[in-house]
Amino acid sequence: AQKVTQAQTEISVVEKEDVTLDCVYETRDTTYYLFWYKQPPSGELVFLIRRNSFDEQNEISGRYSWNFQKSTSSFNFTITASQVVDSAVYFCALSEEMGNAGKSTFGDGTTLTVKP
Amino acid sequence: EPEVTQTPSHQVTQMGQEVILRCVPISNHLYFYWYRQILGQKVEFLVSFYNNEISEKSEIFDDQFSVERPDGSNFTLKIRSTKLEDSAMYFCASRKQGITEAFFGQGTRLTVV
Repeated sequence: AQKVTQAQTEISVVEKEDVTLDCVYETRDTTYYLFWYKQPPSGELVFLIRRNSFDEQNEISGRYSWNFQKSTSSFNFTITASQVVDSAVYFCALSEEMGNAGKSTFGDGTTLTVKP
Repeated sequence: EPEVTQTPSHQVTQMGQEVILRCVPISNHLYFYWYRQILGQKVEFLVSFYNNEISEKSEIFDDQFSVERPDGSNFTLKIRSTKLEDSAMYFCASRKQGITEAFFGQGTRLTVV
């Protein structure tokens, strides 16, 4: 069975601080996909990144960066120089191999509050 | 940019009533999903649909729930007799063949009173 753990329920930082959101996953599949989504107060889910299990390269996109460590089953998300607009709930998700249903299992989410 | 569209954005219904939540997936997508998010909680998988049939469903998706693709473009979730605990945000998602990213709609907030 798949499981995603986001141990940090809430994080509060002051603007311009860096913040890292942790994600640890469990799966028996050898091929899987990891995602991060942002859910602003308006409620929609905004896709941020996808990473497959064979690609352990870290990725940077502007102020966002992701650290995928297969050895520790972690896929952490760092926001550099945080801004008030980054305040949202962030979900890490795991999806099984494409040939199956492809459903996603979500973590409980981390609520990030960035104060001015 | 193509997107998944859900209607209505907010639905209020009385307990025991039937509701139908509607979704228009992206046109060339073949895999469809419904997820539920109770307020303040995580997003939970309900059901996946492929080739005009359910491919997987969770334990939440009991006999009160059904899905349908009535006309080749819409994808609906029906709750036969709503309960207070069905109040949640319902997300529809679709995915293309060969691509693993699922595109989510903006959600329908269902309130059962």
